[in-house]
Amino acid sequence: DQQVKQNSPSLSVQEGRISILNCDYTNSMFDYFLWYKKYPAEGPTFLISISSIKDKNEDGRFTVFLNKSAKHLSLHIVPSQPGDSAVYFCAASARTGANNLFFGTGTRLTVIP
Amino acid sequence: GAVVSQHPSRVICKSGTSVKIECRSLDFQATTMFWYRQFPKKSLMLMATSNEGSKATYEQGVEKDKFLINHASLTLSTLTVTSAHPEDSSFYICSAGLVPGYEQYFGPGTRLTVT
Repeated sequence: DQQVKQNSPSLSVQEGRISILNCDYTNSMFDYFLWYKKYPAEGPTFLISISSIKDKNEDGRFTVFLNKSAKHLSLHIVPSQPGDSAVYFCAASARTGANNLFFGTGTRLTVIP
Repeated sequence: GAVVSQHPSRVICKSGTSVKIECRSLDFQATTMFWYRQFPKKSLMLMATSNEGSKATYEQGVEKDKFLINHASLTLSTLTVTSAHPEDSSFYICSAGLVPGYEQYFGPGTRLTVT
């Protein structure tokens, strides 16, 4: 039962343009959401997070948007750079519960120079 | 962010042997660490939650007698794959967080190959 879903396995974007990665979740108890970036044969690197009390969080080129009613979040990267090419995982947790992170299946982003 | 290390980064072992993987939080103390497994082109699968000074909590379908977890100190958790089989070959990653329910910081992972 995949509680966090990333329906796009891959995305290609031209350098300098905006990358938009999407994530949907089903568990209404989730109240904290995170995005991780992962290179092959490495552990995920934390990028940005958002609490359910917010609908937007921005950190440099990265912005995460949360739509609680739609149970949807997205990560915007602008401008996209070739070094952003990686697999991006969204994750969610219910902090009143076991505090586990539930991960999506990932989206492979390729930024074309 | 916090730094988590794993050792070894890569290990090859023969079927039937046991392999130990270490996970260390280098600049913070972690009462809870997590062990994940990643299959090719799949998401991260939580195997177990490692609790310092107590038994690990295993996810459904994970054999606790096969994947032994020990969290002997606030900076070290170990995962031992016992009687390894080729199907145990995978990428194992640990994580730890400063505050439960918030960001987890991941180790670089361990590639296990069982021949």
